[in-house]
Amino acid sequence: NAGVTQTPKFRVLKTGQSMTLLCAQDMNHEYMYWYRQDPGMGLRLIHYSVGEGTTAKGEVPDGYNVSRLKKQNFLLGLESAAPSQTSVYFCASSFGRNTGELFFGEGSRLTVL
Amino acid sequence: AQTVTQSQPEMSVQEAETVTLSCTYDTSESDYYLFWYKQPPSRQMILVIRQEAYKQQNATENRFSVNFQKAAKSFSLKISDSQLGDAAMYFCAYANFGNEKLTFGTGTRLTIIP
Repeated sequence: NAGVTQTPKFRVLKTGQSMTLLCAQDMNHEYMYWYRQDPGMGLRLIHYSVGEGTTAKGEVPDGYNVSRLKKQNFLLGLESAAPSQTSVYFCASSFGRNTGELFFGEGSRLTVL
Repeated sequence: AQTVTQSQPEMSVQEAETVTLSCTYDTSESDYYLFWYKQPPSRQMILVIRQEAYKQQNATENRFSVNFQKAAKSFSLKISDSQLGDAAMYFCAYANFGNEKLTFGTGTRLTIIP
């Protein structure tokens, strides 16, 4: 029972490099989310998706792009990484039935030098 | 925009004792949901308890209960008979009714003293 799986778990980038974080869920959830967690700031929503082929901006979308080509996958891309994007990134998914219960992955720690 | 405030960055409690974590929020909506999530050292967030704003009765899940004061916009979490496994970061979160985008507080780190 995998739940929500994020890859990679850790990554170090140099400023200006690009990368993609992959989130996969096996619960047939409609909604998927990308959050970032920074010390003293809690979790902040970057982008989200309410279904296959849809994406929407969250609270802190600048510098990130996302895609949801398949229902089970939600990709987060950094086109030109900046030190301010050093963070722990969490993917989450939900049924979208207004229960508010999100199922989270284990997080991906990204360091931008 | 809604905001969630957790004013206690750190709390500690003796094992088997009771501890209360505080949370306040600001919203102009009348229908919404409030949540407490737990983040253990493994980092994976887990839902602890959920409260619908239209319900006057406070939610309870085993040793976890909330004190929901809608007029005061307060939503505290009480953990009874604290156990070592309760040690974690606890996040209070808010969602508008019909919307599952959560707004999180900054978290409270709970330490359990053996």
